[in-house]
Amino acid sequence: DIVMTQSPDSLAVSLGERATINCKSSQSVLYSSNNKNYLAWYQQKPGQPPKLLIYWASTRESGVPGRFSGRGSGTDFTLTISSLQAEDVAVYYCQQYFSTLTFGQGTKVEIK
Amino acid sequence: QLQLQESGPGLVKPSETLSLTCTVSGGSISSSSYYWGWIRQPPGKGLEWIGSIYYSGSIYYNPSLKSRVTISGDTSKNQFSLKMSSVSAADTAVFYCARQRVSGGTRVFDSWGQGTLVTVSS
Repeated sequence: DIVMTQSPDSLAVSLGERATINCKSSQSVLYSSNNKNYLAWYQQKPGQPPKLLIYWASTRESGVPGRFSGRGSGTDFTLTISSLQAEDVAVYYCQQYFSTLTFGQGTKVEIK
Repeated sequence: QLQLQESGPGLVKPSETLSLTCTVSGGSISSSSYYWGWIRQPPGKGLEWIGSIYYSGSIYYNPSLKSRVTISGDTSKNQFSLKMSSVSAADTAVFYCARQRVSGGTRVFDSWGQGTLVTVSS
């Protein structure tokens, strides 16, 4: 299985500041035939199911605010919240769908 | 609007079989655009994909759980189900059912049920 490792495990960011979460895969999730990275990001607020934010590493799901962006390729990816809002407090997970589906361990984002 | 609702016993005894059903409304599990999957989350921990079923009957499982898991679908009721055998305390988790988009080769979960907590205890 591809192991997904996120860093940091938690971070505290001031309102309006940038939050950056990293996700590293144990092997590449870039499919050479279509040049797509099989990587998604989810947001999970307390007591709620996860919500899809981004897929193909950088494509925002419909309705997701523009302050959320994803980038990266191969084995290294980032999710950035450009200007943290109070409603962004959550745990964020990366997921690869290149092979047997696996998730990262999660990164908790809090307000400083 | 698509809705998924998990149902089943909240308490299962060790060594017994856990059985859950996901009822889908506002959409059809017979759609060729989606798989329908199960994911679990132990309390305070991360997410683990269990398996997914396609309208054609094709099913794929997480190899780590495959020996204990069976997923089935009932298109007449617009439901799909999960059975997990020989459960132990380590299987205590919130179980989610979710719709899995497959268009363009993606396999992301774009709609989720609220989840149901299953506790394994005698």
